Amino acid sequence: RKEVEQDPGPFNVPEGATVAFNCTYSNSASQSFFWYRQDCRKEPKLLMSVYSSGNEDGRFTAQLNRASQYISLLIRDSKLSDSATYLCVVDSGGGADGLTFGKGTHLIIQP
Amino acid sequence: ETGVTQTPRHLVMGMTNKKSLKCEQHLGHNAMYWYKQSAKKPLELMFVYSLEERVENNSVPSRFSPECPNSSHLFLHLHTLQPEDSALYLCASSQGTSGRAWGNIQYFGAGTRLSVL
Repeated sequence: RKEVEQDPGPFNVPEGATVAFNCTYSNSASQSFFWYRQDCRKEPKLLMSVYSSGNEDGRFTAQLNRASQYISLLIRDSKLSDSATYLCVVDSGGGADGLTFGKGTHLIIQP
Repeated sequence: ETGVTQTPRHLVMGMTNKKSLKCEQHLGHNAMYWYKQSAKKPLELMFVYSLEERVENNSVPSRFSPECPNSSHLFLHLHTLQPEDSALYLCASSQGTSGRAWGNIQYFGAGTRLSVL
């Protein structure tokens, strides 16, 4: 079973719409969760951390469901500049001190 | 600008060449990482250095050899690579040295796009 799984998309969404995507993880001991954004041919950049109680940053809302082992990202009033690949990232707490990345969900906002 | 600088940005090499990738972080972090990103695959962690000591190498082939002379610099030495090693190689750094809490937020360099002919 893959450790971190995401729907690769692409999600084609009209500008102004709301879009949401989920990410599932397999390690129930995972402690920290993040959404990173990666633009085409660029490096990943932290979008937001995901807190247990859910958190919001402007048009972006992230939620964690420990029971079902998934995190979600909701984007409201989508902008053309939101077009990117969104990477789900999980800290599984292993000895590697590294993070486990999903393959990413490709989002295309259409005018 | 994330504070993590990688050079070169692009590299083309033959299978018999020896080259090195360089990463420098200006964030005062104490952990540095090498990742490989291939098309259609998630980022693969290759090496982790925490306080200049290697923590994990994830069974990376020996044709990849990391070096961390100090907490600000990280190298990836390449020799006798294969065409399937063509990928984007990303360096990252983080403040934390463990997987706890938010210390492991990672900041990435722009990457070196490597092509092996």
